[in-house]
Amino acid sequence: DGGITQSPKYLFRKEGQNVTLSCEQNLNHDAMYWYRQDPGQGLRLIYYSQIVNDFQKGDIAEGYSVSREKKESFPLTVTSAQKNPTAFYLCASSIGQGQGETQYFGPGTRLLVL
Amino acid sequence: AQSVAQPEDQVNVAEGNPLTVKCTYSVSGNPYLFWYVQYPNRGLQFLLKYITGDNLVKGSYGFEAEFNKSQTSFHLKKPSALVSDSALYFCAVRDVGNYQLIWGAGTKLIIKP
Repeated sequence: DGGITQSPKYLFRKEGQNVTLSCEQNLNHDAMYWYRQDPGQGLRLIYYSQIVNDFQKGDIAEGYSVSREKKESFPLTVTSAQKNPTAFYLCASSIGQGQGETQYFGPGTRLLVL
Repeated sequence: AQSVAQPEDQVNVAEGNPLTVKCTYSVSGNPYLFWYVQYPNRGLQFLLKYITGDNLVKGSYGFEAEFNKSQTSFHLKKPSALVSDSALYFCAVRDVGNYQLIWGAGTKLIIKP
């Protein structure tokens, strides 16, 4: 899992509540990513950021929001608009977004709905 | 459109036997190919990648993968499986000109003692 930390490990969301997942990296990587993992499916990209104060939507951005105010931090907010938030959320980072760049992953946060 | 297929949901191998986890891909140009491993309730760990050059790529934990352009495949291999290799394995591809990784659905590898 390298120098990427995610917290909390488990998170419970009540109906209508927004929750924020933390992702921090000390690898001095420029690019950061959020993925959602559901059983039997590959990873799906929620948002990514190539540089501080800039981010782009991935394939399933609806119901999620992010910020990138610092190079080392890329928090993900799961809003009440996300009707099916139960999943395993993975944060990743890479030195850049070159096509040969390797993405390195954090340990993940499991989000459950009460 | 880019795509990745891992045709086997699960692969069972006896300890000490060789293992293969299959991956095929579809891209419009030259691919960049990656293999990752995931242990239960953990993040993904990078194993190896193919960018260019030698078709046989060696990676972590004794794994290797062979790039076959004519068959559009990038199968993961290990000569002698260990029980500790039991995990979920993901193949991913990135096409030239596209920065997003496209992921396979994953293959569960079970190594039996």
